[in-house]
Amino acid sequence: QVQLQESGPGLVKPSETLSLTCAVSGYSISSGYYWGWIRQPPGKGLEWIGSIYHSGSTYYNPSLKSRVTISVDTSKNQFSLKLSSVTAADTAVYYCAGGLVQLWLPWPPDYWGQGTLVTVSS
Amino acid sequence: DIQMTQSPSTLSASVGDRVTITCRASQSISSWLAWYQQKPGKAPKLLIYKASSLESGVPSRFSGSGSGTEFTLTISSLQPDDFATYYCQQYNSYWWTFGQGTKVEIK
Repeated sequence: QVQLQESGPGLVKPSETLSLTCAVSGYSISSGYYWGWIRQPPGKGLEWIGSIYHSGSTYYNPSLKSRVTISVDTSKNQFSLKLSSVTAADTAVYYCAGGLVQLWLPWPPDYWGQGTLVTVSS
Repeated sequence: DIQMTQSPSTLSASVGDRVTITCRASQSISSWLAWYQQKPGKAPKLLIYKASSLESGVPSRFSGSGSGTEFTLTISSLQPDDFATYYCQQYNSYWWTFGQGTKVEIK
């Protein structure tokens, strides 16, 4: 059974870089799924942050593109998110997710992490 | 960017009611639309994919329809477990967008 688990600091200072990791178990991260991050500010809706594909290609939300990096560490079977120059507006629950590309499109995720709250505050 | 607009933002209904939520895309997304249910403190749960395909294990009272720019999610007979927030999501390209959500409340 595939499981995803987010980890990282729950509190980040303004202007610093938010770094999260998603550990994947039950599946080899290099076997073909895409991997992505979605966030949800408290009391608000879902926002797609970005995704990384088997080819190594990355796609980011245009509103965050200048600050986001998603990468994969195959040796640890995990992928990560870095979001730089954070402000209070980046306070959110961050979810990692994974799914298949079918018909040349990334279908809705088959697997989600439980989510981790990151607060940006001094 | 493809913008997704859901309506209504909040919906008050009673158990047994038929409920319809609408999602409009700012440009055609063919049938590349998913619907999710989310409960507080939980990750979203996929209900419908490709606009009208029911995800395995999802009750048949949920159905989706539409193509192009207009889509609907219908719950044929609202059950107590269905009070939650619902989101649409387009996956017409590698850049996803979500609707703003519709909260289904108890009337």
